[in-house]
Amino acid sequence: RKEVEQDPGPFNVPEGATVAFNCTYSNSASQSFFWYRQDCRKEPKLLMSVYSSGNEDGRFTAQLNRASQYISLLIRDSKLSDSATYLCVVNEGPSGAGSYQLTFGKGTKLSVIP
Amino acid sequence: EPEVTQTPSHQVTQMGQEVILRCVPISNHLYFYWYRQILGQKVEFLVSFYNNEISEKSEIFDDQFSVERPDGSNFTLKIRSTKLEDSAMYFCASSDLLSGTGDGEAFFGQGTRLTVV
Repeated sequence: RKEVEQDPGPFNVPEGATVAFNCTYSNSASQSFFWYRQDCRKEPKLLMSVYSSGNEDGRFTAQLNRASQYISLLIRDSKLSDSATYLCVVNEGPSGAGSYQLTFGKGTKLSVIP
Repeated sequence: EPEVTQTPSHQVTQMGQEVILRCVPISNHLYFYWYRQILGQKVEFLVSFYNNEISEKSEIFDDQFSVERPDGSNFTLKIRSTKLEDSAMYFCASSDLLSGTGDGEAFFGQGTRLTVV
């Protein structure tokens, strides 16, 4: 069974704090990895893809450790608008086929407090 | 910015009735998907569709479910005889055909909230 596990939170942090989310996945053959963000009762939206070399997009840094099957997301200088549920997502689709058979974690809820 | 659109936004139906959820994927995308999210639970993959046929489906996608691309723009999910446990948010998504690492993005519609009573 393909699983993606996340700390459910909630994480309540003050504005300006740094917050880290962690995730583990069970399928060692998984091909690609993502962090999505989901606002309450809205659709998931891609925050960033995650690469083995690590990648950064402004205040957001994502890391992937394939050996440990572990993914992380770091948010620096958190803003009120960062309040959302952060979903760790793994693509189980066939390699190179371009298909997104995504397995979602349950998400970690973040509340940034003024 | 192009987007995936879904209709209706909310559908209420009686148990045992058939429902059709509609989606218009992004126009140049070739892969289409349905996901569902039961309230308070994780988003779950139902089915992927490519080249006018199902390419992958999960164990959730049983004989009660079917998908269709009836014309060049719409992509539908039909549930033949709804059950109470089918109540969920149903998300349609679409993506480009990509090669190599599968880098890119699956774009999600805003969802249809299905309530079975």
